Amino acid sequence: DAGVTQSPTHLIKTRGQHVTLRCSPISGHKSVSWYQQVLGQGPQFIFQYYEKEERGRGNFPDRFSARQFPNYSSELNVNALLLGDSALYLCASSLGGTIYFGEGSWLTVV
Amino acid sequence: EDKVVQSPLSLVVHEGDTVTLNCSYEVTNFRSLLWYKQEKKAPTFLFMLTSSGIEKKSGRLSSILDKKELFSILNITATQTGDSAVYLCAVEAGGSQGNLIFGKGTKLSVKP
Repeated sequence: DAGVTQSPTHLIKTRGQHVTLRCSPISGHKSVSWYQQVLGQGPQFIFQYYEKEERGRGNFPDRFSARQFPNYSSELNVNALLLGDSALYLCASSLGGTIYFGEGSWLTVV
Repeated sequence: EDKVVQSPLSLVVHEGDTVTLNCSYEVTNFRSLLWYKQEKKAPTFLFMLTSSGIEKKSGRLSSILDKKELFSILNITATQTGDSAVYLCAVEAGGSQGNLIFGKGTKLSVKP
């Protein structure tokens, strides 16, 4: 069975640009969460979606947005990129308790 | 404010040693505590703990939760170089599943 898949794996953007990151959960998982992990820190919660509805939001500015599609895949969008947005963005899916992570998308903002 | 604190932040041991990693937490509406191993990218799931005093075991790794004292430990016996990684502790709290509060992690280095 495929795990959580994310794309792209690496990308470089310029300050002020926009980025879209994509995530496909494990088959059958209806809950998707997004996390930001900067070097040397634990992941920080950004959003959680369940059945296409936002169920939780972390302490991130409005430049960050997300959505979940009918097939439970999800997109994370970040507008007006800042240097400080450079990080590993992790997607996780869950069903009944255990939460599994994808390989992440490395975003570098220059 | 909800928080998860791990200690030590880094640890260097030799192959064969036994290590204990600590995780304490202060959260509202505790649901579960999870341990992950992170080597390069994705955190890999190790254990999920919901009940006090029940040890979870997988090979040389084991973990236990104390909900009264609000902490968990992760033990690794007979360490190997392949155990070198960052070990993350996370607590799921609040009303929605999937909202994890992570500690900063413990970086374990196992020397041959």
